[in-house]
Amino acid sequence: DIVMTQSPDSLAVSLGERATINCKSSQTVLYDSNNKNYLAWYQQKPGQPPKLLINWASTRESGVPVRFSGSGSGTDFTLAISSLQAEDVAVYYCQQYYNTPWTFGQGTKVEIK
Amino acid sequence: QVELVQSGSELKKPGASVKVSCRASGYTFTSYGVSWVRQAPGQGLEWMGWVATDNGDTNYARRFQGRVSMTTDTSASTAYMELRNLRSDDTAVYYCARDARGSSGLAYWGQGTQVTVSS
Repeated sequence: DIVMTQSPDSLAVSLGERATINCKSSQTVLYDSNNKNYLAWYQQKPGQPPKLLINWASTRESGVPVRFSGSGSGTDFTLAISSLQAEDVAVYYCQQYYNTPWTFGQGTKVEIK
Repeated sequence: QVELVQSGSELKKPGASVKVSCRASGYTFTSYGVSWVRQAPGQGLEWMGWVATDNGDTNYARRFQGRVSMTTDTSASTAYMELRNLRSDDTAVYYCARDARGSSGLAYWGQGTQVTVSS
């Protein structure tokens, strides 16, 4: 199974500042034949189901604010929130869909400093 | 608009079975697969498996094989997840989730079903 490891486990960022979350996979999630990274990011607020923010490592879902961006390739990925807003307080998860079982990172809790 | 509506909370005794339903609307049910993901209290997300809504093919996570069944009723646009021989560590919120286009993640989620296993 592909193990997904996120860092840090939690972070506190001032409003308007940049937040960065890292995700590392135990093996590549880059599919050579189409040069796509099978990596998604989710946001989960308390008492709610997760929400898909980004897939293919860097493609924002429709309606996701542009302050959210994804980058990386192979085994190392980053989710950045360029200017943290109060409504961004949540737990963020990365997930690989390169092969089954699909696996998630342990989550990163983002709070306001 | 796409919506997945799950059945209500369940309280079960150890050794029992639970069957959770997930009714889809707002899209063609057989065009996208459905995964089941669970979340234990205060914990992260765990993918349990996937069912193809067009032909019923399944792909289960190894740790649930033999204990889980994922099925669909296309006439009712509903997916089901049955988990047998429940243990206390199966206590969790269970979510159904629809594939994104190209199976690129899980684009739509149900509201979650709390399953509590306690004697």
